[in-house]
Amino acid sequence: DGGITQSPKYLFRKEGQNVTLSCEQNLNHDAMYWYRQDPGQGLRLIYYSQIVNDFQKGDIAEGYSVSREKKESFPLTVTSAQKNPTAFYLCASSSLGTTDTQYFGPGTRLTVL
Amino acid sequence: AQSVAQPEDQVNVAEGNPLTVKCTYSVSGNPYLFWYVQYPNRGLQFLLKYITGDNLVKGSYGFEAEFNKSQTSFHLKKPSALVSDSALYFCAVRLYNNAGNMLTFGGGTRLMVKP
Repeated sequence: DGGITQSPKYLFRKEGQNVTLSCEQNLNHDAMYWYRQDPGQGLRLIYYSQIVNDFQKGDIAEGYSVSREKKESFPLTVTSAQKNPTAFYLCASSSLGTTDTQYFGPGTRLTVL
Repeated sequence: AQSVAQPEDQVNVAEGNPLTVKCTYSVSGNPYLFWYVQYPNRGLQFLLKYITGDNLVKGSYGFEAEFNKSQTSFHLKKPSALVSDSALYFCAVRLYNNAGNMLTFGGGTRLMVKP
């Protein structure tokens, strides 16, 4: 899992609540990403950021929001508008070189009660 | 649009036997291909990647993958499977564009190695 930390490891949320998932990296990577993983499925991109104070929507951005105020931090907020938020959330980072590898954090499992 | 497919949801192999996890891709241009492994409740760990050059790429934990341009495949292989190799494996493809280094992932293949 390298120099990427995610917290908390497990998170429980009541319906109607917003929650924020933390992602921090000390790899000096410019790009950071958020993915969602559902049981038996692959990864789907929620948001990504290539530079501080800038980010773009991925394939499933509805009901989520992000910020990138610092290079090392890319928090994800799961809002009450996200209809099915129960999932495993993975943060990744990479340099911007064409052949650079994305490295992943350990993940946060979010369960809506 | 680029895509990647892993045709097998699960692969079963006996310990000590060779293993293959299949991956095919579709891109318009030169692909950059990656393999990751995921253990239960963990993040993805990078195994290996193909950028250019030798079609046989060697990676971590004794894994290797063979790039075949004519068959648009990038199968993951290991000569002798270990029980500890049991995990979920993901193939991913990237085509550089102005939007950044986005990865498109396959659906994953669960590898079960039995003693």
